Amino acid sequence: AQKITQTQPGMFVQEKEAVTLDCTYDTSDPSYGLFWYKQPSSGEMIFLIYQGSYDQQNATEGRYSLNFQKARKSANLVISASQLGDSAMYFCAMSAIFGNEKLTFGTGTRLTIIP
Amino acid sequence: KAGVTQTPRYLIKTRGQQVTLSCSPISGHRSVSWYQQTPGQGLQFLFEYFSETQRNKGNFPGRFSGRQFSNSRSEMNVSTLELGDSALYLCASSPRGIAPYEQYFGPGTRLTVT
Repeated sequence: AQKITQTQPGMFVQEKEAVTLDCTYDTSDPSYGLFWYKQPSSGEMIFLIYQGSYDQQNATEGRYSLNFQKARKSANLVISASQLGDSAMYFCAMSAIFGNEKLTFGTGTRLTIIP
Repeated sequence: KAGVTQTPRYLIKTRGQQVTLSCSPISGHRSVSWYQQTPGQGLQFLFEYFSETQRNKGNFPGRFSGRQFSNSRSEMNVSTLELGDSALYLCASSPRGIAPYEQYFGPGTRLTVT
């Protein structure tokens, strides 16, 4: 079974500051992927970044980076230089890579960027 | 490349009715998964289809069913609607088993049951 824990229900961050959203996970799958999605008020889930359990380096996509610490089972999302448009719900998710590839989601963190 | 599309975007149905939602995946993606999102339960996996076969199923009653066509388009059906079925239904597509394993979501169908 897989489990994702996001302990920050909400965060307020000043514009242009960096922000770290926490995510811890638990799984018995030997190979797995970790995902972060952004969900604005419109409802669409926007894929941000992916990290494979076998990847040696932390994933980066523009202003997004994933701080992957396998031994601690954490996969925190770092957003550098936050913008007003970053205000949204953020979900951490995971799936097995082979076999059942369903996504298991955390409860999400509502990020609000303050001008 | 066009993204995942879902139709309709909004639906209002009455208890006891049935509903069919449609999802067209990204071109080349053969896996389509469906998720239900509610304020109380969060995001829950419904089922996954790959090459017209249901590969995985979540913990939902038999009123929830789906299918996938040869062009990878998928439909999900909910029969005998209940008030608790009101939710945002999201579908996601992926190439399945092929790196880099990302799953991409459509805009969702917001279903309201009255």
